[in-house]
Amino acid sequence: EVQLVESGGGLVQPGRSLRLSCAASGFSFHDCDYAMHWVRQSPGKGLEWVAGIFCISGSTGYRDSVKGRFTISRDNAKNSLYLQMNSLRGEDTALYYCGTERQPGGLDVWGQGTTVTVSS
Amino acid sequence: DAVLTQSPLTLPVTLGQPASISCRSSQSVVLSDGNTYLNWFQQRPGQSPRRLIYKVSDRDSGVPDRFSGSGSGTDFTLQISRVEAEDAAVYYCMQGSHWPYTFGQGTKLEIK
Repeated sequence: EVQLVESGGGLVQPGRSLRLSCAASGFSFHDCDYAMHWVRQSPGKGLEWVAGIFCISGSTGYRDSVKGRFTISRDNAKNSLYLQMNSLRGEDTALYYCGTERQPGGLDVWGQGTTVTVSS
Repeated sequence: DAVLTQSPLTLPVTLGQPASISCRSSQSVVLSDGNTYLNWFQQRPGQSPRRLIYKVSDRDSGVPDRFSGSGSGTDFTLQISRVEAEDAAVYYCMQGSHWPYTFGQGTKLEIK
């Protein structure tokens, strides 16, 4: 069974940085055929795609509001996905989920999420 | 970006009755490979989203067959044939055809 466990969230001041991690079990990044993603959910709000990375090519994509501030990456040897978040803003406050896209077209497995709170 | 608009935003349903949620996209979600990557997710309170439907009408493993998806192009529907208590949740559509992937606002299904 594929399981994803996010970590690294916390309370951080505006303008500071945070690095989120997503550890996978029951699933090898070496066997990842398509992509992996970060999706966030602000308190009481809906879901918002943040960033994605294609497993084979390593190509990445970001939503406009985080371009230039966030970087998605993966480490196949550690079976982990990361999200480096710099210059954090209040509007980045959310529960951040990682998810797999083992076949094209949608996130099939999600983690439990890690909470990021940006506040002074 | 493809904007997905769901309706209704709140759906009160009596146990055992059917339910239907609409999702309309501002642009076609048909990809150049001919597939339409429209997904439906269920999010129960305090839980992560769970995918129910992918490619418009394919059910994920373990999803009860009372859930079904339909539609094409820009108009899609999630139907529940007979609502059960465990179906109380927020339902989201999501297009997985074009980055950035986008979600509908969510529909809260309430049991009357």
